[in-house]
Amino acid sequence: AQSVTQPDIHITVSEGASLELRCNYSYGATPYLFWYVQSPGQGLQLLLKYFSGDTLVQGIKGFEAEFKRSQSSFNLRKPSVHWSDAAEYFCAVGGIGGFKTIFGAGTRLFVKA
Amino acid sequence: SQTIHQWPATLVQPVGSPLSLECTVEGTSNPNLYWYRQAAGRGLQLLFYSVGIGQISSEVPQNLSASRPQDRQFILSSKKLLLSDSGFYLCAWSPLQGGSNQPQHFGDGTRLSIL
Repeated sequence: AQSVTQPDIHITVSEGASLELRCNYSYGATPYLFWYVQSPGQGLQLLLKYFSGDTLVQGIKGFEAEFKRSQSSFNLRKPSVHWSDAAEYFCAVGGIGGFKTIFGAGTRLFVKA
Repeated sequence: SQTIHQWPATLVQPVGSPLSLECTVEGTSNPNLYWYRQAAGRGLQLLFYSVGIGQISSEVPQNLSASRPQDRQFILSSKKLLLSDSGFYLCAWSPLQGGSNQPQHFGDGTRLSIL
């Protein structure tokens, strides 16, 4: 069955430090991959998406993600974290047929001064 | 541009009372519509989705129901709320074409507390 795993429940980084959030998926064909961000008490906002082509995709707010087929991963990165990046981040996989998207359990990011 | 509205933003209801949460989308036609529930500190649980007026697919058997009386209106209901219905409810839409190939766009959610 298709699945998405975000191994880290929460991560703490210092402001200005680099960030990498991990995401692994299980799907037999080429997936459609997404990263969303959720600030407290709000809905999810799309950060970036991967469908095909260049495996390094750029998103909003300075985020990027790299698709690695051999590792079934789609990790999210940011070179320098700002305090406003503190939020919960969800990896998701679509393109599995039908209309459902599978979301990971989320990683909560804490940013310390 | 497309927008999605959910209301109310916050709701406190006693156990056994009815529920009606509404979601509307503007700026697009024939969207796929979704209801999710997010328990505290948990991920997203898909409750219902709809690909057209009157077409509802249920993912989790429970005391909740959904309806789509108009193309861009999606309603989540319950006749008698349970304590376990507490949570953060999110409505989302995606373009009809492409199914799950397309990203979903979320409303700001409704925080439901059952007393």
